[in-house]
Amino acid sequence: DQQVKQNSPSLSVQEGRISILNCDYTNSMFDYFLWYKKYPAEGPTFLISISSIKDKNEDGRFTVFLNKSAKHLSLHIVPSQPGDSAVYFCAARDTGFQKLVFGTGTRLLVSP
Amino acid sequence: SQTIHQWPATLVQPVGSPLSLECTVEGTSNPNLYWYRQAAGRGLQLLFYSVGIGQISSEVPQNLSASRPQDRQFILSSKKLLLSDSGFYLCAWSASGTGELFFGEGSRLTVL
Repeated sequence: DQQVKQNSPSLSVQEGRISILNCDYTNSMFDYFLWYKKYPAEGPTFLISISSIKDKNEDGRFTVFLNKSAKHLSLHIVPSQPGDSAVYFCAARDTGFQKLVFGTGTRLLVSP
Repeated sequence: SQTIHQWPATLVQPVGSPLSLECTVEGTSNPNLYWYRQAAGRGLQLLFYSVGIGQISSEVPQNLSASRPQDRQFILSSKKLLLSDSGFYLCAWSASGTGELFFGEGSRLTVL
């Protein structure tokens, strides 16, 4: 049972344009959401997070939006840069549990 | 500052051989510790997590086991590897009660 889903395995965007990565979840008990970025043969690195009490969090070029009614979150990268090319994972934390559930990832390719 | 290390970085093992991957965290005490696996074409699957010495929770029935002999040491083991154990293994830690995970560099296991 995949509780966190990233339905787009890949996304291609031109440099300077907006990248929008989507994530859906099924568990209404999730209270904290995160995005991680991963390069090949490396561990994921934390990018940005959002609490379930908010609907938007911004950090430089990265903004995460949370729509609790739709159980949907998205990561916007503006403007996209070639160095943003990586696999992006969304993750969710279950209230009271000490673990994160990850999606399957979306490979972003930003072309010059 | 906190750091996390895991080794070996790369491992090629025959089917039926044992496995031991080790992970240590520095600069923090009583961390939550995790083992994840990223199989080809799949997301990050949580294998084990630990909230304290000797406390191991298993997420997925499998051919692997985990141990936490010391506060900041987490070991992933197998007595007899299967072909399906191949993948990229990631150790991670978090401070108790928080949502953010910090990952190690990863260990690439190939079972032949």
